[in-house]
Amino acid sequence: NAGVTQTPKFQVLKTGQSMTLQCAQDMNHEYMSWYRQDPGMGLRLIHYSVGAGITDQGEVPNGYNVSRSTTEDFPLRLLSAAPSQTSVYFCASSYSSGGPYEQYFGPGTRLTVT
Amino acid sequence: RKEVEQDPGPFNVPEGATVAFNCTYSNSASQSFFWYRQDCRKEPKLLMSVYSSGNEDGRFTAQLNRASQYISLLIRDSKLSDSATYLCAVSGSYSSASKIIFGSGTRLSIRP
Repeated sequence: NAGVTQTPKFQVLKTGQSMTLQCAQDMNHEYMSWYRQDPGMGLRLIHYSVGAGITDQGEVPNGYNVSRSTTEDFPLRLLSAAPSQTSVYFCASSYSSGGPYEQYFGPGTRLTVT
Repeated sequence: RKEVEQDPGPFNVPEGATVAFNCTYSNSASQSFFWYRQDCRKEPKLLMSVYSSGNEDGRFTAQLNRASQYISLLIRDSKLSDSATYLCAVSGSYSSASKIIFGSGTRLSIRP
């Protein structure tokens, strides 16, 4: 059972470039989310989705887009990368009804924007 | 003010000590509460959910104080392997998953 997978593991971008961080889960979880983690800042919620076709903003959504066309996939798009987006990005998933709502995290993508 | 706040630490305690962390939340409508553990350069993993009546899992005890809007984590007889960052998380809904907000984490280091 793969759980939550993220690709790539590492990425270096130049300012202004675009890219998509991939996230997939095979647990049939309805709820998926993206977080970024910076030193001393904990995890900050970027966007989340409670099911296919439904997304909503989290704490720090600016500069990021998401879509949820399938239950399994929840890609995160950076349209024009900025150095402030250098961070570790975690994708997570959980059931969305009936509990418990333990979130399972992917291994993370380490992104550097120069 | 952040929605969820934690003392960042670091807490540096000897093996066998008891250590406690608190986490305060600002949204009085919050319904679900969690403690996660994160090892260096790894993803967070659920340590335990926090129930209204408090709950215990071995050496770990979690409690919720709704009146003062904080949750706590107590670790007894700490082990070297308990060294990690502990993150609290708060969700707005009990009946269904909604956005889950994390604190900034508390670093714990256990010394021999």
